[in-house]
Order: sequence, then structure tokens, then C-alpha cells
Amino acid sequence: TQLLEQSPQFLSIQEGENLTVYCNSSSVFSSLQWYRQEPGEGPVLLVTVVTGGEVKKLKRLTFQFGDARKDSSLHITAAQPGDTGLYLCAGALNNDMRFGAGTRLTVKP
Amino acid sequence: NAGVTQTPKFRILKIGQSMTLQCTQDMNHNYMYWYRQDPGMGLKLIYYSVGAGITDKGEVPNGYNVSRSTTEDFPLRLELAAPSQTSVYFCASSYSKGRLAGAYKPLYEQYFGPGTRLTVT
Repeated sequence: TQLLEQSPQFLSIQEGENLTVYCNSSSVFSSLQWYRQEPGEGPVLLVTVVTGGEVKKLKRLTFQFGDARKDSSLHITAAQPGDTGLYLCAGALNNDMRFGAGTRLTVKP
Repeated sequence: NAGVTQTPKFRILKIGQSMTLQCTQDMNHNYMYWYRQDPGMGLKLIYYSVGAGITDKGEVPNGYNVSRSTTEDFPLRLELAAPSQTSVYFCASSYSKGRLAGAYKPLYEQYFGPGTRLTVT
């Protein structure tokens, strides 16, 4: 079982649509990160959230950390084909990071 | 800066063979990590290191060994390759100030290498 559960596992939408993906756990994390990974490459960090309830915006992407620091969401507005990729959340526990299995997003033109 | 580099990019091993996956970073990061990524399973932490001379087990350490003799290098050793070790392996590094007065400090951004695709047959 995954410490971090991501949903949905797969998402296919049309360009211009909005979407939200979720990252949930029963554990409390000192920080939580979102990464995007493209085929054949390593994950690349999008954002780190640290404070419960924190909201961060990165252009069309909005990230929220749950009040209890157990969950997070990523909302994309007006998705574009360039947003296609595997979105991974990762929580910091002690000195290591635990990753979710990811949401594979496909944005069709 | 080259960032995090990994070699080789691809490798096919026979069951029982051994090999070392190389990882080097030039960012003077104190933390380094090895992950494996299986289809649909996300990344699983194998080993990590908080500095030269210090290593710790992650979630899935069995069948692997690591060493950290320098800040820059963190090789991963497979002694007796098994088909279950077929995976994509990622090395990562980050800078962290560690714990402060008992409270957890957030780990800073992890920089990942391009990965090594390993097949054991």
C-alpha cells in the first residue's frame, strides 16, 4: 500500500478544460512537494508547500496543502497539451521522502 | 553545472550478475537518494545519505548496497541481480539544513538524474 494515495490514476481531457488531482495520506508531513515527470526523464519539482492551509500559485497551476498537513491538491486551469505528464506528490518524513504513484495526465489538442 | 548525472543509461544483466550504478552531483548537496520506479508504482526509496560517510535504508533496501565516500558520489551496488530488480533507477540530491531544535525542517528541492533503465533476465 502507498503511504500517499494519488487520484485519479489516469486523466485524459481536452485542451482548455480545468482539472484537479489529489494526494491523500493518513500521515502528517513536514512538507509536501509536487513534481512533473516526462517520459524518459527524472521528476522535476513544481512546488513545495510547508504550512497547513497554504496555497501556492504557479501560472495556471494552484497547489493547496491541507490544514492538517496530510493531503494536497493540484488544480490546473485551462489545461494545455504541454501540461501532459506524470504528476507526483511527495511527502517529507524525517529525513526521507515518500512518493505517491502519480496521476498520468493527457491533454488533447 | 551538470546537476545530477547517472551512468549507464541502459543495462541488461543476467540473473546473478552484479553491477554498480553510478551517480554524481556537482551542486555540493549534502543529501543524496536512490529510488526505483516501477510502472504504476511511483518512486520507492532504496537508500539515502545525509552526508559523506553516512547512509540509511529507505523503503526497499534489500538486494542493494550503497556507499558515500565523497559529497559528490553515491554509487548503488547490486550484488546478485534478480528479475525483481528490473526497474528504472533514479538518483537525486538535495540540500537540507536538517532538524532544528527538535522540529522537522522541510527538505529542499530534490534534483533528479535522468535515470538508468535496468533489465534483469
